[in-house]
Amino acid sequence: EPEVTQTPSHQVTQMGQEVILRCVPISNHLYFYWYRQILGQKVEFLVSFYNNEISEKSEIFDDQFSVERPDGSNFTLKIRSTKLEDSAMYFCASSKETSGIYEQYFGPGTRLTVT
Amino acid sequence: SQQGEEDPQALSIQEGENATMNCSYKTSINNLQWYRQNSGRGLVHLILIRSNEREKHSGRLRVTLDTSKKSSSLLITASRAADTASYFCATEYGQNFVFGPGTRLSVLP
Repeated sequence: EPEVTQTPSHQVTQMGQEVILRCVPISNHLYFYWYRQILGQKVEFLVSFYNNEISEKSEIFDDQFSVERPDGSNFTLKIRSTKLEDSAMYFCASSKETSGIYEQYFGPGTRLTVT
Repeated sequence: SQQGEEDPQALSIQEGENATMNCSYKTSINNLQWYRQNSGRGLVHLILIRSNEREKHSGRLRVTLDTSKKSSSLLITASRAADTASYFCATEYGQNFVFGPGTRLSVLP
């Protein structure tokens, strides 16, 4: 069964450094998403992406964040200058539209630790 | 806020018992999904129920949806210790999903 994959599974970085989290969505999906979950808290929407541009973003997704689909398979989230509070689990998801329904499939997540 | 809210926040039961978790939301939705998350792990999709459906089953899971009350319930029958996890409802608004804070279920052997 096709699945969303994410790399790395765990990333440790120092405050102020740039990180890029990578995702490979399901191949025939056209909609892509990033979510964040701070330890012990709920899953929060960051951004959605369709047709090579951002469809919607939350207030969390500030200028420090950017997304890109550099080729036909990868979908990346970049954090330019990480802060301690960026430490979280980051989930990628993808979906396709079927009769107006979007069924999202989530990757296993990347745990980001900022020290 | 459009988010779903689960209750209870935490639930502790004995193995073999049934566990019921509820989710309420605020505006019209296209569908609602339930996810499980083991501690520190990824999200596992359990079941999706569409806005025109009232009940859905999958193995030991039973999900109901009451659009008039804007609520859904997840029932796990004959619970097992391996069911211990956090359970989230996610409501779809257009293309995006909004997650509730989750219910932490502990199934004691």
